[in-house]
Amino acid sequence: KAGVTQTPRYLIKTRGQQVTLSCSPISGHRSVSWYQQTPGQGLQFLFEYFSETQRNKGNFPGRFSGRQFSNSRSEMNVSTLELGDSALYLCASSLLQGGISTQYFGPGTRLTVL
Amino acid sequence: GIQVEQSPPDLILQEGANSTLRCNFSDSVNNLQWFHQNPWGQLINLFYIPSGTKQNGRLSATTVATERYSLLYISSSQTTDSGVYFCAVAGSQGNLIFGKGTKLSVKP
Repeated sequence: KAGVTQTPRYLIKTRGQQVTLSCSPISGHRSVSWYQQTPGQGLQFLFEYFSETQRNKGNFPGRFSGRQFSNSRSEMNVSTLELGDSALYLCASSLLQGGISTQYFGPGTRLTVL
Repeated sequence: GIQVEQSPPDLILQEGANSTLRCNFSDSVNNLQWFHQNPWGQLINLFYIPSGTKQNGRLSATTVATERYSLLYISSSQTTDSGVYFCAVAGSQGNLIFGKGTKLSVKP
């Protein structure tokens, strides 16, 4: 099976712009989670989508939003970009199987805000 | 919320050496995973190990859930083992809570 894919891999934006990142999960996985990784804060949970519904949300401002489509692909959007939004954004998909939910990560999108 | 602490923060080894990485967590968990992040940022699953011991080649992991810690063993280290190793546990919402990682550098 193909792994989790994320596009684009690299992105440069300026303050005030908005950005949309895309994630395609492993075939058959219905849960998609997003994480932000920065040198200062480490890896932090943004939100999780399951069957097109946001199931969980981390402690991020409303400028961060997401959605999931019927084919389980997910997008996250960041509006009014700030310098502090520069980070590696990682997407993970998971399949709950036998009570075990193992998350598999994509290669990430590295966002730079100038 | 659950706190996850990893030690040591940095580790430098000579190729062929063995190492032990530790992960302490502040509450009982039913989901613990170890990941390796390579220099390009990809997080690679190593183990799903909420309890017990597992081995995969030169890597093995042990979680003692009652004492709230997990250990990752790397034997006969290779330069390709370099990178950052993360321990993560599931929070109350099911999301992963990550430690700050152990940065491993293996020198030839």
